Amino acid sequence: QSVLTQPPSVSAAPGQKVTLSCSGSSSNIGKNYVSWYQQLPGSAPKLLIYDNSKRPPGIPARFSGSKSGTSATLAITGLQTGDEADYYCATWDASLSGGVFGGGTKLTVL
Amino acid sequence: QVQLVESGGGVVQPGRSLRLSCAASGFTFRSYGMHWVRQAPGKGLEWVAVISYDGSSKYYADSVKGRLTISRDNSKNTLYLQMNSLRAEDTAVYYCAKAPAIAHYMDVWGKGTTVTVSS
Repeated sequence: QSVLTQPPSVSAAPGQKVTLSCSGSSSNIGKNYVSWYQQLPGSAPKLLIYDNSKRPPGIPARFSGSKSGTSATLAITGLQTGDEADYYCATWDASLSGGVFGGGTKLTVL
Repeated sequence: QVQLVESGGGVVQPGRSLRLSCAASGFTFRSYGMHWVRQAPGKGLEWVAVISYDGSSKYYADSVKGRLTISRDNSKNTLYLQMNSLRAEDTAVYYCAKAPAIAHYMDVWGKGTTVTVSS
């Protein structure tokens, strides 16, 4: 069981908007920055969002992140079939003195 | 370009040892923290360990503490994961990832190396 809680799956139609949630606690999300990773089938994870809401170079503005209290959200607008992937949130946990990931959300673009 | 290449994976019997390597290029290796993250077959990502830029600080997941050891050789631009007393549940793809600092995000990932623990 993961320290951070993500819904196992979410689906939406092309062109639509989807939000992926990540719930934690005061020792992890409540204290530290959240990052999000996209893992396409058969590939290594890729950084999508860091420091709650910042995008690395090359990541489209369709991807955005936010954080409130002990929860974080990844929003994807203008969904494309190429966005079908597993998405993971992550942060540092002060109580565990270690990194923690969510269980991942599988995004299906119908 | 920034690149991380893992090696050293393979099939190993329970209780035996294995050492993974991660060769870094395209950036100043000695200036960045480095993580190991693993993914068991069909499962999600699991953080394993992190080491500071100079090797002075190391942190481990409870599931590997005392069995897996992270280290680095900045003169060789290489990160290591010494894996002892291996168990079936250590079977996974192991990724190394670069980070600005220990408690920070992982901005570059390698392609991974597969470790299978089986008799």
